[in-house]
Amino acid sequence: EAGVAQSPRYKIIEKRQSVAFWCNPISGHATLYWYQQILGQGPKLLIQFQNNGVVDDSQLPKDRFSAERLKGVDSTLKIQPAKLEDSAVYLCASSLVSGRRVVNEQFFGPGTRLTVL
Amino acid sequence: AQKITQTQPGMFVQEKEAVTLDCTYDTSDPSYGLFWYKQPSSGEMIFLIYQGSYDQQNATEGRYSLNFQKARKSANLVISASQLGDSAMYFCAMREVNYQLIWGAGTKLIIKP
Repeated sequence: EAGVAQSPRYKIIEKRQSVAFWCNPISGHATLYWYQQILGQGPKLLIQFQNNGVVDDSQLPKDRFSAERLKGVDSTLKIQPAKLEDSAVYLCASSLVSGRRVVNEQFFGPGTRLTVL
Repeated sequence: AQKITQTQPGMFVQEKEAVTLDCTYDTSDPSYGLFWYKQPSSGEMIFLIYQGSYDQQNATEGRYSLNFQKARKSANLVISASQLGDSAMYFCAMREVNYQLIWGAGTKLIIKP
């Protein structure tokens, strides 16, 4: 079974530029998460999708961040314009959430390391 | 309010020794789940072990076990017979509504040869 795919793995941009990250979850996983992980901290949830609908985007800075999952499979996270404080690792995770399962663990991709200069 | 607390920013452990990573949590929900993830320097989060709030026994997965003390609200990870490959960041997380995870700040574990 293929894992969660993310691209690019690394990205360096200057402030005020835009950037986009792509995520393809594990096949069949309806729930998809985007996290921001600043160096030395735990992940912070940015947005959670269930199929192509948004479950929670309360911590997404909507003035500059946007995310979509149009067909309920892969997803794109965009930052426009980027700020210095956006430098972080952006992690995508997916989960097969089911009431019949107990654990419902999240599976993570390798992440995209963003550096904003 | 912080809900997951990992009090050990970093730990050094001799290879082959056992190590305990601390995690305390705070919730008023009677139904919750606790997870431990490992994050090597490559960056990917790897699921290690899960403990449900109603589980009567402590969870075990190979060399990993979870010391679950519900009354004290602690869920410490125990790694037996540590190996060099265990060097990584370790995160404790608690599942809340909508299957979201609340994460601790992590503990950096370094195994010395």
